[in-house]
Amino acid sequence: AQSVAQPEDQVNVAEGNPLTVKCTYSVSGNPYLFWYVQYPNRGLQFLLKYITGDNLVKGSYGFEAEFNKSQTSFHLKKPSALVSDSALYFCAVPSDGLGGGNKLTFGTGTQLKVEL
Amino acid sequence: SQTIHQWPATLVQPVGSPLSLECTVEGTSNPNLYWYRQAAGRGLQLLFYSVGIGQISSEVPQNLSASRPQDRQFILSSKKLLLSDSGFYLCAWSVQTGLHNEQFFGPGTRLTVL
Repeated sequence: AQSVAQPEDQVNVAEGNPLTVKCTYSVSGNPYLFWYVQYPNRGLQFLLKYITGDNLVKGSYGFEAEFNKSQTSFHLKKPSALVSDSALYFCAVPSDGLGGGNKLTFGTGTQLKVEL
Repeated sequence: SQTIHQWPATLVQPVGSPLSLECTVEGTSNPNLYWYRQAAGRGLQLLFYSVGIGQISSEVPQNLSASRPQDRQFILSSKKLLLSDSGFYLCAWSVQTGLHNEQFFGPGTRLTVL
């Protein structure tokens, strides 16, 4: 079954420090991986996705993610965190099954808190 | 550019009352459409998805139903709400062509059932 795991419920980081939000995946075939961010009481916003090619994917708001096949990971990173980055982050993978629909399976989410 | 709208933004309903949440997409044709529920500000549960007008797939058995009367309109309904239907409801769309496309989400509807 296609799945992703986010091992940390919450990550705390000081403003200006680098941040990492972890995601590991379990897929059959070629992995397609996504990151989304959700601010309070808002819908999810697409940040970036990995399809193939360069293992470092750049996305919105200065975020990037590193695909690591040997570790089956797709960690989200940013060199210098901002207080405004505080939000809930989800990684996702295409779902199993027939019927099409481009469905996604989301991780349980990681709450990022950036403090002054 | 494409936009997705949901209304109402918030809703408080008594147990046993009906429900109708609406989602519309602009700027694209023949999208895939999705309804999710998010409980307690965390995990997302896919409720329904649609690949075309009148085509609805249900992911989990429940008290809710969905309809797609027009290409870019997706409606989530219930005849009688339960307390457990409370949550944050999100609509999303994706393009149909190609594989593994990202989804784009609406602003959500906060439903409280009392």
